[in-house]
Amino acid sequence: AQKITQTQPGMFVQEKEAVTLDCTYDTSDQSYGLFWYKQPSSGEMIFLIYQGSYDEQNATEGRYSLNFQKARKSANLVISASQLGDSAMYFCAMRLIGNQFYFGTGTSLTVIP
Amino acid sequence: EAGVAQSPRYKIIEKRQSVAFWCNPISGHATLYWYQQILGQGPKLLIQFQNNGVVDDSQLPKDRFSAERLKGVDSTLKIQPAKLEDSAVYLCASSLGAGGLADTQYFGPGTRLTVL
Repeated sequence: AQKITQTQPGMFVQEKEAVTLDCTYDTSDQSYGLFWYKQPSSGEMIFLIYQGSYDEQNATEGRYSLNFQKARKSANLVISASQLGDSAMYFCAMRLIGNQFYFGTGTSLTVIP
Repeated sequence: EAGVAQSPRYKIIEKRQSVAFWCNPISGHATLYWYQQILGQGPKLLIQFQNNGVVDDSQLPKDRFSAERLKGVDSTLKIQPAKLEDSAVYLCASSLGAGGLADTQYFGPGTRLTVL
């Protein structure tokens, strides 16, 4: 069963605009962690942001914020003021107790000048 | 602080040949992971080490893949013999391994394997 679902294979955004990348997850566990990674064409996975299931506030890291809606089991990534360097694949991932770690299939983001 | 190092960056081999990849994790990181990422997909965990012990190798095709982490530091992943479907990027990651859900994995640049 798919644990992480990213329904947007590709997204386009105008430079300096904000963009939301969708992620939904499936688990019956109460404790879990959610991550977003960026993968540029160079191939390296870059950690962006983390949200714990018990965190009451949405995580933020610079231009990245995580819109965490626990009841809907969604953990969308919001990138504000998009830059050309933001063009990359973005992966949502989840860690469960017991160290299982699941990645989604990714969303390709293209920033248009 | 140096990141996760991997070599080689690229490798082209013919099917039925063997190949080995090397990974050096971030200093002090107890947990090391090997992932396989096929084009157009998310990474799939092959094996996870905690120090020099295996935590999870449930998705490692053990008839052809092997991995070791001697002395609990660097690690090698081997494929013998390779098949066409092994063409992928092999990513190594490490984390502090202190436990907890927020134990963030940091990735190396990956090795792109092409099997002809």
